[in-house]
Amino acid sequence: SAVISQKPSRDICQRGTSLTIQCQVDSQVTMMFWYRQQPGQSLTLIATANQGSEATYESGFVIDKFPISRPNLTFSTLTVSNMSPEDSSIYLCSGDLAGGPGDTQYFGPGTRLTVL
Amino acid sequence: GQNIDQPTEMTATEGAIVQINCTYQTSGFNGLFWYQQHAGEAPTFLSYNVLDGLEEKGRFSSFLSRSKGYSYLLLKELQMKDSASYLCAVMTTDSWGKLQFGAGTQVVVTP
Repeated sequence: SAVISQKPSRDICQRGTSLTIQCQVDSQVTMMFWYRQQPGQSLTLIATANQGSEATYESGFVIDKFPISRPNLTFSTLTVSNMSPEDSSIYLCSGDLAGGPGDTQYFGPGTRLTVL
Repeated sequence: GQNIDQPTEMTATEGAIVQINCTYQTSGFNGLFWYQQHAGEAPTFLSYNVLDGLEEKGRFSSFLSRSKGYSYLLLKELQMKDSASYLCAVMTTDSWGKLQFGAGTQVVVTP
């Protein structure tokens, strides 16, 4: 079955720095999304990663803070810019892998980010 | 936006049955999903309902009533490994592929 992988799996970063998270799917997907899951919370959608065009951001999230790329149908990156401790969270990408009913989203393993 | 409500926590004993309810308010409903999430892991897909009725998949079943904005996930013959957070998520017709998640229900299975 198709797999979604993320790199890095975890990182500890200093305030003010930036981290780029990679999401790789081993088959083409139509839709890719980036979610954030803060400690003890549920998932919140950050943005839709659009192939070949600018990402579509949800309310409360902006491109300057979370630039996203999606150069093709199997790969996307999310950058967390100018980090602060409030950005400490798990970041998850998702894709609509073939074989799921409806537009079922399957999730990558997540990137656990700690900002000091 | 959508309001999605589910209980915070439920406790049940091994071998028992637990029903996790989820209510939602949305326009343009396009499906309800249940995910299981173990601590420190990513959510894994459990079930999908878009029409009214019961979908059964082994020990897990999911029910949907669109007119009531209501779903439940039924876990039968509980096992210790079923201890996890269960997330209810809704997809709408104007948010192709995007999911709005409830806060999750932490299920604790005791011996």
